[in-house]
Amino acid sequence: GAVVSQHPSRVICKSGTSVKIECRSLDFQATTMFWYRQFPKKSLMLMATSNEGSKATYEQGVEKDKFLINHASLTLSTLTVTSAHPEDSSFYICSARRQGGIYEQYFGPGTRLTVT
Amino acid sequence: DQQVKQNSPSLSVQEGRISILNCDYTNSMFDYFLWYKKYPAEGPTFLISISSIKDKNEDGRFTVFLNKSAKHLSLHIVPSQPGDSAVYFCAARLGAGNNRKLIWGLGTSLAVNP
Repeated sequence: GAVVSQHPSRVICKSGTSVKIECRSLDFQATTMFWYRQFPKKSLMLMATSNEGSKATYEQGVEKDKFLINHASLTLSTLTVTSAHPEDSSFYICSARRQGGIYEQYFGPGTRLTVT
Repeated sequence: DQQVKQNSPSLSVQEGRISILNCDYTNSMFDYFLWYKKYPAEGPTFLISISSIKDKNEDGRFTVFLNKSAKHLSLHIVPSQPGDSAVYFCAARLGAGNNRKLIWGLGTSLAVNP
């Protein structure tokens, strides 16, 4: 159990366009989902925490108008990178927290975004 | 300010020997510590955790030790296998309820040589 999927796994887009990444918990309800970004040879950087039905909480330095997060249901959260620039190219990973439990974040496989 | 530190970016071990991955932290409010394993182009997968009130947790080949006074934990893998080659992240849990989040170390890349 505790499977999290992400779609797409890989996307290439042009500068100035917007890209939406979906994160789904397949076999459990996730009241909270997290969006991370990983730079090469760097750790996971938490971008925002998304609670179902409420506004996302963004970490310091993350532009909320650029990285739009929507958590409309208990199994789906989306991250939209608006007006993408080459510096937004990165590996984006979502995780979902199942209520209760200790190792409470289950990660998706990640999305490789390349902005040309 | 790196609250969770993994000072060794890489580690190389011979198959069958012990792998020891270290993690130091600064925040005494962390209540759980977790180790995740990550392969390239994949999301991390949970490996093992330990409560801040424990000093050892064992699961098969994996054992995590916590030294709270030293704010140090370590992951031992015995015996190491080539399939263990991956990046290992130490993470510490902070907060409560919906504000709960994980603080991550930079990771240690483990290579287990046949």
